[in-house]
Amino acid sequence: NAGVTQTPKFQVLKTGQSMTLQCAQDMNHEYMSWYRQDPGMGLRLIHYSVGAGITDQGEVPNGYNVSRSTTEDFPLRLLSAAPSQTSVYFCASSYGGDATGYTFGSGTRLTVV
Amino acid sequence: KQEVTQIPAALSVPEGENLVLNCSFTDSAIYNLQWFRQDPGKGLTSLLLIQSSQREQTSGRLNASLDKSSGRSTLYIAASQPGDSATYLCAVHNAGKSTFGDGTTLTVKP
Repeated sequence: NAGVTQTPKFQVLKTGQSMTLQCAQDMNHEYMSWYRQDPGMGLRLIHYSVGAGITDQGEVPNGYNVSRSTTEDFPLRLLSAAPSQTSVYFCASSYGGDATGYTFGSGTRLTVV
Repeated sequence: KQEVTQIPAALSVPEGENLVLNCSFTDSAIYNLQWFRQDPGKGLTSLLLIQSSQREQTSGRLNASLDKSSGRSTLYIAASQPGDSATYLCAVHNAGKSTFGDGTTLTVKP
């Protein structure tokens, strides 16, 4: 099925551990983004990419790394997990030029203990 | 820095009422604006997308308008139903970067 696929759906980490959240899309979208959503709040942009090899920081980039080696994949790496990174993470993608809206993945619920 | 505000934060209405959700943004340099619906514990479902050159979009009982010069958008829901209960988020997009409002949580009572 065409769309944005995020894995895993749930994850529990210990403080200081590292991990990678995976995001893949099969719609040949140029733009991809990572957001976090905390209780009662909207989505905050972590990092985004406008094409393979191009990434930039969003509103809350600290503690996260990204890379975009292919059009399809945009993984988000947590370098040393902290309890403040407990959140729900969403990946989204869109055609280039914002000609269409964004399609979202189903999210990854991360708990850091 | 782009800021997006949604008013009200919460809204409770009886079934059958027409209602309006508001979204305002501070920087009019946007490519488009998108309205989403989010059910508790779920992801985001796109409702309507309005290009910056458009004034409104309609889908079924939903109508969204955009006034880019004043930095405002409204989402009109006609004849509300209990199944419309959810959080509604607006987002403005510009060159791969998107800014979301905090959402309006709608409850439609039978």
